[in-house]
Amino acid sequence: DIQLTQSPSFVSASLGDRVTITCRASQGIGIYLAWYQQKPGKAPKLLIYAASTFQSGVPSRFSGSGSGTEFALTVSSLQPEDFASYYCQQLNSFPYTFGQGTKVEIK
Amino acid sequence: QVQLQESGPGLVKPSETLSLTCTVSGGSVSSRSYYWSWIRQAPGKGLEWIGHIYYDGSTNYISSLKSRVTISLDTSKNQFSLKVTSVTAADTALFYCARVYRGWPGVDSWGQGILVTVSS
Repeated sequence: DIQLTQSPSFVSASLGDRVTITCRASQGIGIYLAWYQQKPGKAPKLLIYAASTFQSGVPSRFSGSGSGTEFALTVSSLQPEDFASYYCQQLNSFPYTFGQGTKVEIK
Repeated sequence: QVQLQESGPGLVKPSETLSLTCTVSGGSVSSRSYYWSWIRQAPGKGLEWIGHIYYDGSTNYISSLKSRVTISLDTSKNQFSLKVTSVTAADTALFYCARVYRGWPGVDSWGQGILVTVSS
């Protein structure tokens, strides 16, 4: 199975901060990577797929980049609704594994 | 718009089998366009992909659970199911069923999740 390693596991940030979360794959996955946001008690929400394509309705302050084994999710200016957990997922090969998650909390 | 709804017991005893069902409305589990998957999340932990089933009954599971997991399809009821055998407290989790498009964007619909606690 492909392993995804996210870093950091935890981020303490302020409103307006720029935050970058990275996701490293144990083998090359092309651009077959998605990013999700999850708030407590809710199912995950798809933010970005194909490494850098916005899902409909996602604010432009979110961006994704990378290919192969190194990927990143950036929030350019944190808003109150962005404090949540974020997960990457590879869809290159079965099983479609997730990263361990990054929790973004208010400083 | 497709909707997925998990159902099953919320409490399972250790060493027994956990059984959950996902009922799909607004879409068909016989569609060749989608995989039907199960994902779990232990309390306070991250998402864990369990596996999926395709319309033809083919399955794929995460290696760490492969020996204990079975996902099956019931096209007559438009449902798919999950069984996990020999459960322990470590299997306590919120279980989600989800639809995965064969292509982008991938996981496009989720159930609301069902909490299953393993305890005597």
